[in-house]
Amino acid sequence: GAGVSQTPSNKVTEKGKYVELRCDPISGHTALYWYRQSLGQGPEFLIYFQGTGAADDSGLPNDRFFAVRPEGSVSTLKIQRTERGDSAVYLCASSLGVSADYEQYFGPGTRLTVT
Amino acid sequence: AQSVSQHNHHVILSEAASLELGCNYSYGGTVNLFWYVQYPGQHLQLLLKYFSGDPLVKGIKGFEAEFIKSKFSFNLRKPSVQWSDTAEYFCAVNAQENTGKLIFGQGTTLQVKP
Repeated sequence: GAGVSQTPSNKVTEKGKYVELRCDPISGHTALYWYRQSLGQGPEFLIYFQGTGAADDSGLPNDRFFAVRPEGSVSTLKIQRTERGDSAVYLCASSLGVSADYEQYFGPGTRLTVT
Repeated sequence: AQSVSQHNHHVILSEAASLELGCNYSYGGTVNLFWYVQYPGQHLQLLLKYFSGDPLVKGIKGFEAEFIKSKFSFNLRKPSVQWSDTAEYFCAVNAQENTGKLIFGQGTTLQVKP
């Protein structure tokens, strides 16, 4: 079946611009996670959703970052006033439930470059 | 704060060599432990996981890992690597009940020479 998809695959934007990154989880998966992976590092947790609500947003670096999942399926990560330090691969993962018992399936990521 | 440390950043082996990748975590409570792999051009995927029970867990493609609680370690092993094992390997920890939130190590790039 279809896996997790993310669009766009690449995004180049200028410093100070606003960007939206989209994640389509596997159908039926109630939990959705966002991670950020900087060059040479492992993925870093940003936020996760259980259904429509953000259950834990402790990893969002500052208030320029925001994510939504209005219908409990597709999620959008929004970054305002982008900075060069925001350049990274943004990964989305989904799972059947929120506990660690459920395997997280990762998408291909969106590579964001802020110039 | 919880953290995960992978000792080797870049490992180069010849085919048929044995592999051991180190992983240590810092958290005193109950943890769930994972190894993920990312093959070139592919998504991150789960290699194996440990929740409880037998501390030696077996995963896909002949990989295994051993949880040593006293050492806060979860090292990944494979007796004989293949060229197709060339990939990046990430150790991860989940230390919160009722959440799948993962804390990842910085990763180890494995290059297997044919």
